[in-house]
This record gives sequence, C-alpha cells and structure tokens, in this order.
Amino acid sequence: GNSVTQMEGPVTLSEEAFLTINCTYTATGYPSLFWYVQYPGEGLQLLLKATKADDKGSNKGFEATYRKETTSFHLEKGSVQVSDSAVYFCALKINQAGTALIFGKGTTLSVSS
Amino acid sequence: GAVVSQHPSRVICKSGTSVKIECRSLDFQATTMFWYRQFPKKSLMLMATSNEGSKATYEQGVEKDKFLINHASLTLSTLTVTSAHPEDSSFYICSASQGGRDTEAFFGQGTRLTVV
Repeated sequence: GNSVTQMEGPVTLSEEAFLTINCTYTATGYPSLFWYVQYPGEGLQLLLKATKADDKGSNKGFEATYRKETTSFHLEKGSVQVSDSAVYFCALKINQAGTALIFGKGTTLSVSS
Repeated sequence: GAVVSQHPSRVICKSGTSVKIECRSLDFQATTMFWYRQFPKKSLMLMATSNEGSKATYEQGVEKDKFLINHASLTLSTLTVTSAHPEDSSFYICSASQGGRDTEAFFGQGTRLTVV
C-alpha cells in the first residue's frame, strides 16, 4: 500500500539553527510528494512539492529533494525562525485524477529565540 | 492559492445529536472533495472522497451511515456526524480540488468537534 513515515517530534531548536525533518514513503506507482505546514489554530497550507525524481521543491527558505533511490523527501531549512514553529506534514499523492493525499503523522517544530 | 472555507471551526454537541460541517470552495469549482479526521499526535486519516453529484467513496473502517457526506454542488460538500458519541470527538478537515491528475488540493481550516 501507500504510506508516509516521518520522524517523530517534537523538534525543538534555537533560532538560526539548521532544520531537518526526515520523510520516507512507500508507494505503488510514481507519486508526487508534498510538505504541508499547519500553524497553530489554522488549516494546512502547502509549503512545497515535487512531482518527479530529483526535483527540488523550495519555498520560504525550506527545501526538499525527491529521492527515488532512497524513497525520501526530507525537509530542510538552513536557519529557522521563531515564526517557523508549526506542525509539518509530509504527504504523497498518486498521480491519478481524484486521488487523495496520504499524510505522515506530522512533526511539531518549536523554535525558541 | 484558492480558498476553502470550513464551518463551523468549533462545535460542541450532546451525545445522540447530529452535527453538520460545511466545506465550501470560494473561488473555484471543486469536482472532488476529501474529508479527513485528525487524531491527536496522529496523521490525517482519509475518511471519504466525494465527487460532485455522486455518492461518496468511504475508506475501509469508516461507517457511511454515521458519517453522511453530501456533495450536491461544485462548491459545497457537507459532512454530517449522526448520533454523535464522545469517541467521535476529533478534528475534521476537508480539502477540495478541481479533480485533475496533477491539480493541487486546498484545505479548510478544520472543525474541532467535541461531543459531551
């Protein structure tokens, strides 16, 4: 089946620290991969995505590279800010019309000043 | 990006009553909408997929008679939790897409349901 595994949180960092949140997937077929972010009290927002192997998605200083050989899509940011504190979800979508996103469990990031 | 509005954001209801949650796409036509349930410290679990004008497709283990989904128009889907019980308390999130192969799904703000 299709599934997403991401590292357990919470992740606690100081401002300007380097962030990595690991994500690996299992999929039948060739999925698109996503990172979503959920700020406190808000809904999910798309952070970045990649649709094929070796693609790099990037946004707001975050980036992730679609690695087919390791079935991974790790999220990284070189210097986190307090405002990055949120829950981050890795997700995949099989590229067929009408299919839903499949999410990992989410990783809570807490950044202190 | 496109806007999906979910209402209400919070609701408290008594055991045995029914609660309706609305999901609206405000600036696009959503041929497909998805309903998720989010458990504490767990992933978003897909409950069902609904396509406008047809019956929803429920995931295994989701009771279709308890979680009624209606997608009567291209901008509105509703989830009704019937005869709610405390174990139905959860965070419910909808998402909507235009239904194409590579189209993005947009999420509502979620609804926190508490059954007392």
